[in-house]
Amino acid sequence: AQKVTQAQTEISVVEKEDVTLDCVYETRDTTYYLFWYKQPPSGELVFLIRRNSFDEQNEISGRYSWNFQKSTSSFNFTITASQVVDSAVYFCALSEGQGGSEKLVFGKGTKLTVNP
Amino acid sequence: EPEVTQTPSHQVTQMGQEVILRCVPISNHLYFYWYRQILGQKVEFLVSFYNNEISEKSEIFDDQFSVERPDGSNFTLKIRSTKLEDSAMYFCASTMDRNTEAFFGQGTRLTVV
Repeated sequence: AQKVTQAQTEISVVEKEDVTLDCVYETRDTTYYLFWYKQPPSGELVFLIRRNSFDEQNEISGRYSWNFQKSTSSFNFTITASQVVDSAVYFCALSEGQGGSEKLVFGKGTKLTVNP
Repeated sequence: EPEVTQTPSHQVTQMGQEVILRCVPISNHLYFYWYRQILGQKVEFLVSFYNNEISEKSEIFDDQFSVERPDGSNFTLKIRSTKLEDSAMYFCASTMDRNTEAFFGQGTRLTVV
């Protein structure tokens, strides 16, 4: 069965600090997709990234970067130089199957608070 | 930028009443989903819908729930007889095909009293 674990329930940092959100997943499939979504206080789910199981290259997008390591079944998310606007709940999610848009299994989320 | 639209943003209903949550997916998308998030908890899959039929549903999606795409643009979730434990945020999502990411609506907060 699929499972996504986000061990950090809440993280609090001061603005400009770097912060890493951990995500560990379990799946029996060799083909799967990993996602990160942001849920700001307004409640919507904002897509951040999708990564397939065959692409272990790290990705950087502005202040965001993602580290995918199949050997440890982890897909961690780092925010560099955090800002107050980064305060949100961040969800890691997994889907199996070649399509990559099958049902998503979400972790419990990590609430990030960035203080000024 | 195209987006998934959900109405209403907040609905309060009495226990036992029927509710219909509405979604307008992105126009060229073919796959549709409902998820729910009980307050403070994780987002859970309810159902996926493709080609006018349910392709997968979770254990949560029991006989009290149904989905419909009545007119080619709306995608609805009906809860026949609401229970207190149905109180949650309900998210609609859509995707063009199975190889692209799903885009989520802003959610409908359902409160059953």
